[in-house]
Amino acid sequence: GAGVSQSPSNKVTEKGKDVELRCDPISGHTALYWYRQSLGQGLEFLIYFQGNSAPDKSGLPSDRFSAERTGGSVSTLTIQRTQQEDSAVYLCASSLAVTGELFFGEGSRLTVL
Amino acid sequence: AQKVTQAQTEISVVEKEDVTLDCVYETRDTTYYLFWYKQPPSGELVFLIRRNSFDEQNEISGRYSWNFQKSTSSFNFTITASQVVDSAVYFCALLGDDKIIFGKGTRLHILP
Repeated sequence: GAGVSQSPSNKVTEKGKDVELRCDPISGHTALYWYRQSLGQGLEFLIYFQGNSAPDKSGLPSDRFSAERTGGSVSTLTIQRTQQEDSAVYLCASSLAVTGELFFGEGSRLTVL
Repeated sequence: AQKVTQAQTEISVVEKEDVTLDCVYETRDTTYYLFWYKQPPSGELVFLIRRNSFDEQNEISGRYSWNFQKSTSSFNFTITASQVVDSAVYFCALLGDDKIIFGKGTRLHILP
């Protein structure tokens, strides 16, 4: 498709399990962002990629969170040993350039039981 | 450090009224960009506008207008003659040192 694609759209997991969330940005977009949105809350910055490198990882909440991007395209956000407070919608966005508008995916809703 | 403050958590107005959503930002960068996004009940964020720090001209797009004032570090958004379809959460965002940060959003209810 032409937009940002995220999978899975919904994930229910048990506390302590690892999860992987995938983001497929718009083709040609060099910048890719991950945000987290808890119920009724704003967007919390997690990490940003320019190409395959992540100049800013300052938003990752703990060392249980990691992200990578390969081939300047697909990105994976991994959460190890999930906790209930990790429950949120994880949003991915991409842009043609750092200063450009962000195009958002529909998000991956994570529920940790 | 960068910061975006949207002091209005929730606003309700009757249809056809005008409404202004406030956004105040903090940054030490001299070059930066400001954005507004809309998140309707369906959930997917939609880009509304981008403004760079060197362009203080106000902008109008249909019923939407934006007032950028560097002197007060504000980038306010006005909806004229509001409609029920304008009901959504609106986010102001700032791009300074290569990352875009968002305010906490203002939830707007347009009552019929």
